[in-house]
Amino acid sequence: AQKVTQAQTEISVVEKEDVTLDCVYETRDTTYYLFWYKQPPSGELVFLIRRNSFDEQNEISGRYSWNFQKSTSSFNFTITASQVVDSAVYFCALSEDLYNFNKFYFGSGTKLNVKP
Amino acid sequence: GAVVSQHPSRVICKSGTSVKIECRSLDFQATTMFWYRQFPKQSLMLMATSNEGSKATYEQGVEKDKFLINHASLTLSTLTVTSAHPEDSSFYICSAGAGGRVADTQYFGPGTRLTVL
Repeated sequence: AQKVTQAQTEISVVEKEDVTLDCVYETRDTTYYLFWYKQPPSGELVFLIRRNSFDEQNEISGRYSWNFQKSTSSFNFTITASQVVDSAVYFCALSEDLYNFNKFYFGSGTKLNVKP
Repeated sequence: GAVVSQHPSRVICKSGTSVKIECRSLDFQATTMFWYRQFPKQSLMLMATSNEGSKATYEQGVEKDKFLINHASLTLSTLTVTSAHPEDSSFYICSAGAGGRVADTQYFGPGTRLTVL
């Protein structure tokens, strides 16, 4: 079964629009971490945020914000006033088994196209 | 912050040859390293977990005899693609964890793009 689902394969917006990238996860662990990464065309993963399962506070960092809701197993990512430089593939990831091998399970990614 | 490097960043080889990719943790000791493969326009798929001084643990469907992993020291893990074929062409990414609360300290390398002709 897919542990992390990113239902949106590709999204196109015009610069300055707000955009939300959805992420739904599945786990039986009570302790886990959720992540968002940005992957520009160069390929290198850029870490955006880490959230542990006990912290449901929403977080805002500049134009980025994250909405973590355990009740719906979702960890959505919103970019406000999008810019062309935001164009990239964004991955949501889940990490379980914290004290052993810490496997990461990545979603399939959402490609964001921000047009000028 | 912690840095993980990979070498080479790109490699092109002929079918049938073997290719070695290095993953190094530059400023911390990595008890555990992970190898991922990413096909074009697809997600990262975990191939194997490498623990220093012990055999790697491979994910289901990954041929351990084809993808040899060696984690000989706390700062270096290598992935060798043996007898590479065009279908092995992919983007290979490693990550390194420092142990303990590993989820807090896993860092990704910049990736190696392998093209097999």
